[in-house]
Amino acid sequence: DAGVTQSPTHLIKTRGQQVTLRCSPKSGHDTVSWYQQALGQGPQFIFQYYEEEERQRGNFPDRFSGHQFPNYSSELNVNALLLGDSALYLCASSLVGSGEQYFGPGTRLTVT
Amino acid sequence: AQTVTQSQPEMSVQEAETVTLSCTYDTSENNYYLFWYKQPPSRQMILVIRQEAYKQQNATENRFSVNFQKAAKSFSLKISDSQLGDTAMYFCAFTRYSGAGSYQLTFGKGTKLSVIP
Repeated sequence: DAGVTQSPTHLIKTRGQQVTLRCSPKSGHDTVSWYQQALGQGPQFIFQYYEEEERQRGNFPDRFSGHQFPNYSSELNVNALLLGDSALYLCASSLVGSGEQYFGPGTRLTVT
Repeated sequence: AQTVTQSQPEMSVQEAETVTLSCTYDTSENNYYLFWYKQPPSRQMILVIRQEAYKQQNATENRFSVNFQKAAKSFSLKISDSQLGDTAMYFCAFTRYSGAGSYQLTFGKGTKLSVIP
């Protein structure tokens, strides 16, 4: 049973650039959520996608955007990168209507 | 807004001993879920145990059990027979239904647990 996968594992970008992170949900799951985890902190909710639409959004600026594809995989895009965007980005998948989320291994983004 | 507080930034326990991690939360909701997640140095967030608020019985998963006190808004995790592989960050998390089939997790800041040989 394939779990949640994310790519790339690590990424280094320069301030002002744009980045795209990718996530494939656990087999059978249809909902994808994205979280940002700064060093030494708990994850913070960015947004959640179901049926290719953003269903919920946390307190993040419009520079953070996403997409969900018909096969339920998802992308997280961040524009105009800031140093403060350096973090571990976690993707989690679930079945719609289920509170239980399963996480991928994360993408470590470093902005210099 | 919901908040989750973990008051123990770091804890240590001897191998084979028992340790309890604390978590409190604040919500006005009556129906919700609580979770404990484990994040080892490999950084993969692993679901350890879940508790539905409507269930009075405390959840148990092998060596892991919770003490859920709904009135006190307390949700502690007990790890019995601690093993070296239990060394990790432990996060308490809260979720409630947000509409349109959506749930979002709110996490505490975590407790770093070290199991000492």
